[in-house]
Order: sequence, then structure tokens, then C-alpha cells
Amino acid sequence: DGGITQSPKYLFRKEGQNVTLSCEQNLNHDAMYWYRQDPGQGLRLIYYSQIVNDFQKGDIAEGYSVSREKKESFPLTVTSAQKNPTAFYLCASSFQELSGNTIYFGEGSWLTVV
Amino acid sequence: KQEVTQIPAALSVPEGENLVLNCSFTDSAIYNLQWFRQDPGKGLTSLLLIQSSQREQTSGRLNASLDKSSGRSTLYIAASQPGDSATYLCAVLKRSNYKLTFGKGTLLTVNP
Repeated sequence: DGGITQSPKYLFRKEGQNVTLSCEQNLNHDAMYWYRQDPGQGLRLIYYSQIVNDFQKGDIAEGYSVSREKKESFPLTVTSAQKNPTAFYLCASSFQELSGNTIYFGEGSWLTVV
Repeated sequence: KQEVTQIPAALSVPEGENLVLNCSFTDSAIYNLQWFRQDPGKGLTSLLLIQSSQREQTSGRLNASLDKSSGRSTLYIAASQPGDSATYLCAVLKRSNYKLTFGKGTLLTVNP
């Protein structure tokens, strides 16, 4: 089945560690996105990529990094510089022309700092 | 800056009731508006997408309307069922930067 796969579902990070969240899609979408969701809050855009080897900062990019080496993959690294990383992270993808197409989401990854 | 507000934040209704969820946005220069459903601890599922030139969209028991000039959208759910219990989020796609801005959502509980 076509879709977006995020892994791991649950991840624990120690202080000072970098962790990487995986996102893979087989929908042949050009654009991919990472959002952060805090309890009772709307989604906030971290990074997005409209094409391979190119990505743009979203509204809350500080403390995060991404890469887009393949069309299907858009991993997110939460670095030690992110001071409050505990949140629910959602990966999404769409055809490049978002104005006429809907956006699809993965099942999310929970990150907790211990 | 685009801001999206959803009212109410939470809603509890008995099964079978018709209900309306509200979404308002501050900047009317949008491409489209989408309504999503989110189950606890899960990702978002798109329910309806309304282009800026459209007034409404329907899917089964769901009907979404858009009044771009007043910056408002409503999601109407007919004959609600316990399985409709979830958080419903709306999001607008801004023309100037192609970015989606989400509301905080309405937590709907349908009681059997």
C-alpha cells in the first residue's frame, strides 16, 4: 500500500544526544515536510523540501537539521541544540503543487527527553 | 501573519446529533482550506479540501463550507456517531508563501 512510514514510533533522548527520525514515502510525491505538534497546539512547520537535494527552513527550524538525498526519504535530526525537543513529530508529503492537492501524513513519532 | 482559530476547543454531544465546528482565519489570500481528522496519538487524515474559488465540499455525512471574504469555514457533521470522536483540525494554504497554517483543533466526543 502507498503511504508514509515514520520510525521509530517512540524514541527517548538523553541530554546532549542527537537523534534522527526516519520518514519514507512511496507516493511518488515531490514535496516532504516535518511538523512538530505539542499538546493542545496546532502543527508547526520545522523544515520542508520541494525537490531532491533542496530544503527550506520552516517556522521553528532552530535545533533541527534535515537532508533530502532521495525523493522517497526525508530524515529529521533533532540536535542537542534543541532545548525542548519533547513533542510529537509528524512527517508529511504532497505533490509539489500543493494548491490543488492534499497533503498526506505519517503516523507520527513521539520523542521524549529523559 | 496568518492565524487560524478553531472554536470550540472541545465539544461533547450525544450520538445522532448534527453538529458544526468552526474555523476562522485572518488573511483571506488563501489557495485552499482543508479539514483534517486526528485520532489520539496518530497522524492527520484529510477529510475535505475546499479551493478558494469554491463555497463548499461534501463527503458522506461531512459538509464543509468556505466564506473567504469573512475568513470563515464550518465543518458540518450529520448524524454523529461514536466513531466520529477525534480531534478535527483546519488548515489554510497561504498564497504568498505556499505554507499551511493549522488551527489548534476541536476535540469532539460523541457519546453513545
